[in-house]
Amino acid sequence: EDQVTQSPEALRLQEGESSSLNCSYTVSGLRGLFWYRQDPGKGPEFLFTLYSAGEEKEKERLKATLTKKESFLHITAPKPEDSATYLCAVNPFGNEKLTFGTGTRLTIIP
Amino acid sequence: GAGVSQSPRYKVAKRGQDVALRCDPISGHVSLFWYQQALGQGPEFLTYFQNEAQLDKSGLPSDRFFAERPEGSVSTLKIQRTQQEDSAVYLCASSLVTDIYSGANVLTFGAGSRLTVL
Repeated sequence: EDQVTQSPEALRLQEGESSSLNCSYTVSGLRGLFWYRQDPGKGPEFLFTLYSAGEEKEKERLKATLTKKESFLHITAPKPEDSATYLCAVNPFGNEKLTFGTGTRLTIIP
Repeated sequence: GAGVSQSPRYKVAKRGQDVALRCDPISGHVSLFWYQQALGQGPEFLTYFQNEAQLDKSGLPSDRFFAERPEGSVSTLKIQRTQQEDSAVYLCASSLVTDIYSGANVLTFGAGSRLTVL
């Protein structure tokens, strides 16, 4: 069974203080690993898809990386508007559904 | 439309009532998914359609849950005889495979329908 574990559950950072969020996964055969951002009262918003170990993708202050067992979402010099819950999900080959982790709730303090 | 539209945004039901939640996906999106998100948790898969065909309903928690997409566009999730444990946000997502390399679905989510069962 596909499993996704995210850590930490919650993270409070000062504005400008860089850090990383972790997503550990087990999947039968990885077709794609996804990062989504979710603001309160809204649906998840797509950030990145990673397909193979060693791949990296960047968007503004965010960079996602992938190994065979985990993915990291690095946040560089975050701003208060980066505060949100960040969700990781995996999509295996032969299956259309995404299996999500429970998310990391990130708070950036001005 | 520009995004995935869900209605109602909020629904309060008395235990035992039937509810229907509607999802209007992005025009042209073939795949449609329903997820359930409890407070403080990640979304949990319920069911998946490709056009009008329901290809996977393995996540539906009981036979009180039923989903349909009769014309391959709008979908309805129906919950019969609601129970308190059904209280959650129900998210709809649609997708159009754009990545030829792997074909992994990029899901676009709606804002969700928050169901509270009293």
